[in-house]
Amino acid sequence: GAGVSQSPSNKVTEKGKDVELRCDPISGHTALYWYRQSLGQGLEFLIYFQGNSAPDKSGLPSDRFSAERTGESVSTLTIQRTQQEDSAVYLCASSFTRRTEAFFGQGTRLTVV
Amino acid sequence: GQQVMQIPQYQHVQEGEDFTTYCNSSTTLSNIQWYKQRPGGHPVFLIQLVKSGEVKKQKRLTFQFGEAKKNSSLHITATQTTDVGTYFCAGINNAGNMLTFGGGTRLMVKP
Repeated sequence: GAGVSQSPSNKVTEKGKDVELRCDPISGHTALYWYRQSLGQGLEFLIYFQGNSAPDKSGLPSDRFSAERTGESVSTLTIQRTQQEDSAVYLCASSFTRRTEAFFGQGTRLTVV
Repeated sequence: GQQVMQIPQYQHVQEGEDFTTYCNSSTTLSNIQWYKQRPGGHPVFLIQLVKSGEVKKQKRLTFQFGEAKKNSSLHITATQTTDVGTYFCAGINNAGNMLTFGGGTRLMVKP
């Protein structure tokens, strides 16, 4: 595709529900990142995928968070039993290699009520 | 783990004044990247620096990578209202497996 696509763009969910966020990276990009951004704050690293290597999950804040990516295609970030503190914008980015510029999607704004 | 600190957190300037944001890493970096995020938008890549002591310019923006490859700066000359946004640096570690963002500097420009 022309850019990194994320869906949904907005998600309102009730506390305790599970949510799944989707990221379609740019075709051919081997690296994929998930970040979380709270209002007016910086980018909090969540997880990093590089090709078929084991992902770097060191940024996942709890075991309620998980992510998958098959090969160099779509990635999904799943949050189980959502809490109000999970409310944030979740940003996905992809890059051609590990050392090249990252292209960000528009993000998914998650609101837990 | 690798930490990237950025100062200042906020900066208000009068249009026409200069602006600088500084980025410091706890570890030596392979590369450093700079991104700009407009209000309500997503981060957009500006530039990447790779070499020790490297300086690159984009119109009114000057980017510098320190000799030790642990710090970097972005300087904007004669700010304009279109410069408004948050500027993030992002460091890539030597293993090339971590892109760590600084906390960002939010620039506000008064016309």
